[in-house]
Amino acid sequence: GNSVTQMEGPVTLSEEAFLTINCTYTATGYPSLFWYVQYPGEGLQLLLKATKADDKGSNKGFEATYRKETTSFHLEKGSVQVSDSAVYFCALSDSEEFQGAQKLVFGQGTRLTINP
Amino acid sequence: DGGITQSPKYLFRKEGQNVTLSCEQNLNHDAMYWYRQDPGQGLRLIYYSQIVNDFQKGDIAEGYSVSREKKESFPLTVTSAQKNPTAFYLCASSMKTSWSYNEQFFGPGTRLTVL
Repeated sequence: GNSVTQMEGPVTLSEEAFLTINCTYTATGYPSLFWYVQYPGEGLQLLLKATKADDKGSNKGFEATYRKETTSFHLEKGSVQVSDSAVYFCALSDSEEFQGAQKLVFGQGTRLTINP
Repeated sequence: DGGITQSPKYLFRKEGQNVTLSCEQNLNHDAMYWYRQDPGQGLRLIYYSQIVNDFQKGDIAEGYSVSREKKESFPLTVTSAQKNPTAFYLCASSMKTSWSYNEQFFGPGTRLTVL
């Protein structure tokens, strides 16, 4: 079945450091890929997405490129801020409809802490 | 403002009691979903619904029930049959386009604690 594997956390960085959170996936077909962010005590917010190979999703300084050859979708940011502290989830959706709805498969999440 | 609301934010339940978690959306989305989140884990799908009066089991449906009587509402009941109900519950919705469903939008969640 489809699965997502994320870099284990927690990850702790200093402000303005470069961030990479690794994400690899296993899927049949041609999934769409997503990064969601969860701030403490809140629901998930979509951070960025890519729907086909070589697409680059970007938002708020974060980027991720859909690499079909390496089945990866690593999240990067050039200079992190304290406000980026959160849990980040990589997810995929199968391109085939899941009985009419869209099933998302999530990684286990990576907790990121940025120190000033 | 459009969005998804979940209530209550915190819920405490005694063992053996059923409890219902509310989820309402005013985004006019077709599909709605319920997920369970445990510490240090990703989200697991409990139930989903693509249309009123229809819903399907997800990966961990045992001990849960849902209804979809209105497009905007998708309540989740955690029954006494659920052996380990303490968790953070997230509701989501998505809109169907002509060829697929868009990304899912999430509510703020309900934290359920069984005493």
